[in-house]
Amino acid sequence: SQQGEEDPQALSIQEGENATMNCSYKTSINNLQWYRQNSGRGLVHLILIRSNEREKHSGRLRVTLDTSKKSSSLLITASRAADTASYFCATADTGFQKLVFGTGTRLLVSP
Amino acid sequence: ETGVTQTPRHLVMGMTNKKSLKCEQHLGHNAMYWYKQSAKKPLELMFVYSLEERVENNSVPSRFSPECPNSSHLFLHLHTLQPEDSALYLCASSQSWTGGGTGELFFGEGSRLTVL
Repeated sequence: SQQGEEDPQALSIQEGENATMNCSYKTSINNLQWYRQNSGRGLVHLILIRSNEREKHSGRLRVTLDTSKKSSSLLITASRAADTASYFCATADTGFQKLVFGTGTRLLVSP
Repeated sequence: ETGVTQTPRHLVMGMTNKKSLKCEQHLGHNAMYWYKQSAKKPLELMFVYSLEERVENNSVPSRFSPECPNSSHLFLHLHTLQPEDSALYLCASSQSWTGGGTGELFFGEGSRLTVL
């Protein structure tokens, strides 16, 4: 089955900087979703972008989707220490019809 | 209060024990899921229930036995587990299974299981 693969695996930045994470996938999708997970906790849905959308915003989050390159990026602007978490992309394959998660990007934001 | 509640948050059990994980959702959703999260591996979908009927079983060993008595409650019964079953078990719900469960998922905080 297809799987979103996040890049980088780990990212360390200072407060106030922007953080960019990328997700690549293999087949056609209905939508792509980003989730956040604080250490040892459950996942929290951040944003969903449909295959016919190219960009979406939510607060300090900006998600782009390039279906020709089968890739998506999540940008967190003006990061805060509280943004420290793992971020996962999940793809909804048109054929498979289930969400498939990647292995995540661990983001560390230092004060 | 989170919309999806899991208990217990931590569980340590021996390989011969029988225990259960419980999940309750307060969101009025019709679909519920069990996921397994192991270190450095993608989230693995285990089971899906839609309107109390199991619609997905991703080749999970029989030592894991799910139960969905109603649309708000989901259990995962555990027996004769192996040390490699140690992981974080996450319950999730979604509004419906229509379209194969590709909508937004709402997760609980997880049950951290350690098998000795």
